[in-house]
Amino acid sequence: AQSVTQLDSQVPVFEEAPVELRCNYSSSVSVYLFWYVQYPNQGLQLLLKYLSGSTLVKGINGFEAEFNKSQTSFHLRKPSVHISDTAEYFCAVKETSGSRLTFGEGTQLTVNP
Amino acid sequence: DAMVIQNPRYQVTQFGKPVTLSCSQTLNHNVMYWYQQKSSQAPKLLFHYYDKDFNNEADTPDNFQSRRPNTSFCFLDIRSPGLGDAAMYLCATSRVAGLLYEAFFGQGTRLTVV
Repeated sequence: AQSVTQLDSQVPVFEEAPVELRCNYSSSVSVYLFWYVQYPNQGLQLLLKYLSGSTLVKGINGFEAEFNKSQTSFHLRKPSVHISDTAEYFCAVKETSGSRLTFGEGTQLTVNP
Repeated sequence: DAMVIQNPRYQVTQFGKPVTLSCSQTLNHNVMYWYQQKSSQAPKLLFHYYDKDFNNEADTPDNFQSRRPNTSFCFLDIRSPGLGDAAMYLCATSRVAGLLYEAFFGQGTRLTVV
């Protein structure tokens, strides 16, 4: 069975500072990895995904993530955050052979002026 | 342009009164998911359909049922809602083929039980 652990439940940062949101996964088989963002009372929106190939993936809104197979991690980064990046961020995993999509507990990113 | 549509956005139901939430998609995706999300928590997978195959999560209460009459529509039935079932319910779709594996989410239905 697959699982996802997001290591920080809350991350407060100042505007224009860099940020990293950490995600580790567990699976006995190969997986696809995703980061989603959720604004209050909204559904989830895909930020980026790792399917195969280059381990550094770029997404929308200036976010990027790096897949590290040996450390089973998929950390999300942004070099300079904006107030508008304040939201809940979810890491998710899906086994390549299956259809079940599992989410981590989420990280609340709060960007302060 | 909405691709995954959930109706209604807000639903108030009485304790113990059956309620149905609906989801439709225009993407022709073969997988449809239902998630329950309580305040400040991760979305919890209740069940999903892979084409017509129903996949129930082991810890999903029997009180929750689902129907998928065709590719475009999927319903979540809560037979006897309790106060603990108040949550945001998210529908999502994905396609298990090609290079498109991510899930597309609807806006959610916020269920209140009174």
